[in-house]
Amino acid sequence: GENVEQHPSTLSVQEGDSAVIKCTYSDSASNYFPWYKQELGKGPQLIIDIRSNVGEKKDQRIAVTLNKTAKHFSLHITETQPEDSAVYFCAASTGFQKLVFGTGTRLLVSP
Amino acid sequence: GAVVSQHPSRVICKSGTSVKIECRSLDFQATTMFWYRQFPKQSLMLMATSNEGSKATYEQGVEKDKFLINHASLTLSTLTVTSAHPEDSSFYICSARQGGEKLLFGSGTQLSVL
Repeated sequence: GENVEQHPSTLSVQEGDSAVIKCTYSDSASNYFPWYKQELGKGPQLIIDIRSNVGEKKDQRIAVTLNKTAKHFSLHITETQPEDSAVYFCAASTGFQKLVFGTGTRLLVSP
Repeated sequence: GAVVSQHPSRVICKSGTSVKIECRSLDFQATTMFWYRQFPKQSLMLMATSNEGSKATYEQGVEKDKFLINHASLTLSTLTVTSAHPEDSSFYICSARQGGEKLLFGSGTQLSVL
């Protein structure tokens, strides 16, 4: 089955810096890669997703890149703000199969 | 807009009692809902897939008699933790597909069993 690895487990940046979180997946059949933001005591919130027919997608300060050959994808957050502090999860799935989540990255943005 | 509503947000119960958690899809219908469990500082672990009008599909290692799932309508799925014990204390989260592959999550339920 699919296995998703995520790095780093924790990431501390200064406000205004960029943050990058990386994930690798094992199943070459996976074709859907969402990213979720989870704040303490709340459910995960979908922030951006990408499908395997696209190499990059951007939404304001957030971008995701996908390298199908290497089987890895990354989340890029620019101009970080304290409210970006949260736990971020990557995930992968094949079509409508179940999502497999990464282990999470705790992002701390210091003012 | 489309929202997955989950209740209660927090529940404390005595050991041996049962607890029911509700998950509703608002402004969309969900033939399939998913139930996850999350321990502190860990990732989400899929417990079961809830299918409207049929039996749930449980992941390996999840006790179907302990975690009863009912998906009686296109907008409501319930998870009942039966005979709860302290080791069942966890954060439970439901989710539903809102068109295509997009998965929306509820706000979660923190269960504490004394």
